[in-house]
Amino acid sequence: DTGVSQNPRHKITKRGQNVTFRCDPISEHNRLYWYRQTLGQGPEFLTYFQNEAQLEKSRLLSDRFSAERPKGSFSTLEIQRTEQGDSAMYLCASSSGQITEKLFFGSGTQLSVL
Amino acid sequence: EDKVVQSPLSLVVHEGDTVTLNCSYEVTNFRSLLWYKQEKKAPTFLFMLTSSGIEKKSGRLSSILDKKELFSILNITATQTGDSAVYLCAVGDSNSGYALNFGKGTSLLVTP
Repeated sequence: DTGVSQNPRHKITKRGQNVTFRCDPISEHNRLYWYRQTLGQGPEFLTYFQNEAQLEKSRLLSDRFSAERPKGSFSTLEIQRTEQGDSAMYLCASSSGQITEKLFFGSGTQLSVL
Repeated sequence: EDKVVQSPLSLVVHEGDTVTLNCSYEVTNFRSLLWYKQEKKAPTFLFMLTSSGIEKKSGRLSSILDKKELFSILNITATQTGDSAVYLCAVGDSNSGYALNFGKGTSLLVTP
């Protein structure tokens, strides 16, 4: 499978715990994005990487959120001290340099904070 | 603030019907408009439109953009049960960097 891969598919955690998600983009794509989607809403942009550089962050990305993309390959999104409002689907997407808006999405990580 | 509004929010049709989904937008510096289909988890790319009045077509699906009136439509002819999904419209704004602004989506159910 050469698509965007996300792990885990589901994560249930207690409020206050830290969680980390992983995204493996399509190998030749140098651009990587994180979006968050709640029920009945469209995806909301969180952050963007070009290679290993984090070039853009949404105001939605509070101090408790951090994302990395070491070596410009896979990326991790960490949420510290989770809150119930963090419950959502976290989608990762990648794109090539030629058509940056044509995003290829992974199947997401569904986070439930109890 | 950028806005992308889709209508209707949900739609139920019978197999064989033709449907038209709408997307209107307000952005500061339009760059592109995209349509995605979301069946279970991962949205999948359908079309990207940047020029007004040029129809993009793929099989039974087609889309057109009107940059003057700030909207796009997605048409699906001869609908099939496999077309049941949420259809998302997203707009790129050059003033917003690489972020796409998504609408809430239209949930389409095609019944046999």
